[in-house]
Amino acid sequence: DTGVSQDPRHKITKRGQNVTFRCDPISEHNRLYWYRQTLGQGPEFLTYFQNEAQLEKSRLLSDRFSAERPKGSFSTLEIQRTEQGDSAMYLCASSDREKNIQYFGAGTRLSVL
Amino acid sequence: GQNIDQPTEMTATEGAIVQINCTYQTSGFNGLFWYQQHAGEAPTFLSYNVLDGLEEKGRFSSFLSRSKGYSYLLLKELQMKDSASYLCAALYNQGGKLIFGQGTELSVKP
Repeated sequence: DTGVSQDPRHKITKRGQNVTFRCDPISEHNRLYWYRQTLGQGPEFLTYFQNEAQLEKSRLLSDRFSAERPKGSFSTLEIQRTEQGDSAMYLCASSDREKNIQYFGAGTRLSVL
Repeated sequence: GQNIDQPTEMTATEGAIVQINCTYQTSGFNGLFWYQQHAGEAPTFLSYNVLDGLEEKGRFSSFLSRSKGYSYLLLKELQMKDSASYLCAALYNQGGKLIFGQGTELSVKP
């Protein structure tokens, strides 16, 4: 499978715990994006990387959220001290810089109890 | 802001044609995307319009008017499997992020 891969697919955690998600982009894509989606809404931008550089981070993003892409390949998204309001689908996408088309992974569904 | 507006839901009959409209703010606009999303699945890419006009791809076509801040997705010969959410998304200011509408939930009935 050469698409965008996310792990885990589902995560259930208790309020206050830390969670980390992983995204493996399409191999030749240098841009990687994180979005969050809640039921009945479109995806909401969180942050994106070009190679290993984090180029933009949403102003709405709490400082409990951090993302890395240390070698310009896979990326991790960590949420510290989770809250019930963090429950959502976390989507990763990647794109080739020239073509701008973003291809999405299947997402990680987070449930905070 | 960069609000993307599209209808919340639509219903159509199998075999028919449906048009899903989307409006967006034009300042800094660079391109318009349509994605299809089945429940519980990832959005899948349908189309990308940068220039004015209609782009056809099989049963699906997408139209863009940059001056009017308007796009539509046209689905022909509807099939039951076309029941899904259709997401309109805009690219602004050479940035990488997409701004999404809330999605249009399309129900195709027999």
